[in-house]
Amino acid sequence: AQSVSQHNHHVILSEAASLELGCNYSYGGTVNLFWYVQYPGQHLQLLLKYFSGDPLVKGIKGFEAEFIKSKFSFNLRKPSVQWSDTAEYFCAVNAYNTDKLIFGTGTRLQVFP
Amino acid sequence: DADVTQTPRNRITKTGKRIMLECSQTKGHDRMYWYRQDPGLGLQLIYYSFDVKDINKGEISDGYSVSRQAQAKFSLSLESAIPNQTALYFCATSAIAEDTQYFGPGTRLTVL
Repeated sequence: AQSVSQHNHHVILSEAASLELGCNYSYGGTVNLFWYVQYPGQHLQLLLKYFSGDPLVKGIKGFEAEFIKSKFSFNLRKPSVQWSDTAEYFCAVNAYNTDKLIFGTGTRLQVFP
Repeated sequence: DADVTQTPRNRITKTGKRIMLECSQTKGHDRMYWYRQDPGLGLQLIYYSFDVKDINKGEISDGYSVSRQAQAKFSLSLESAIPNQTALYFCATSAIAEDTQYFGPGTRLTVL
């Protein structure tokens, strides 16, 4: 069965620090990959997605993610975080012909001024 | 106006009561989904529907039922609520299976 692993459960950073959140999935076929963000008290919003093409994807608010097929990874990065990036981040994978989006367990990011 | 709406936003109920959570969307999407979110577990799929005549069980459908009343409406019912169904419930929609899902604001359900 498909699965998505987010190994960082809770990350604490100071403003201006660099961020990298890991995401690995288990599925050998073609996949679509997503990062969603959930700000405190709010619903999930799409941060970025990868369907095909350039494996380096740029999203909103300065976030980017790189799809490395050989490593089954889709790590999220931001060079310099802000206090407003405090949120929970979810990686999700949709494998072709499965009709379902599988979510990781999420990473809680806290950014201190 | 929000594209995906959920009612109620908060609900406290007692064990054994029947509860219905409603979801409406104005995005014109055929596909709708119900998830529950528990701390540390991410989102788990309860049920999903690809059109009015199509209903599918997700990972954790036991204790839940759904109704797709129209393309724009997808309701989740708990026939006899139990405390471990206390969670945050999200509805989502998508145009096609492989595409982005758009989430509603969530319903926080507490079962005492």
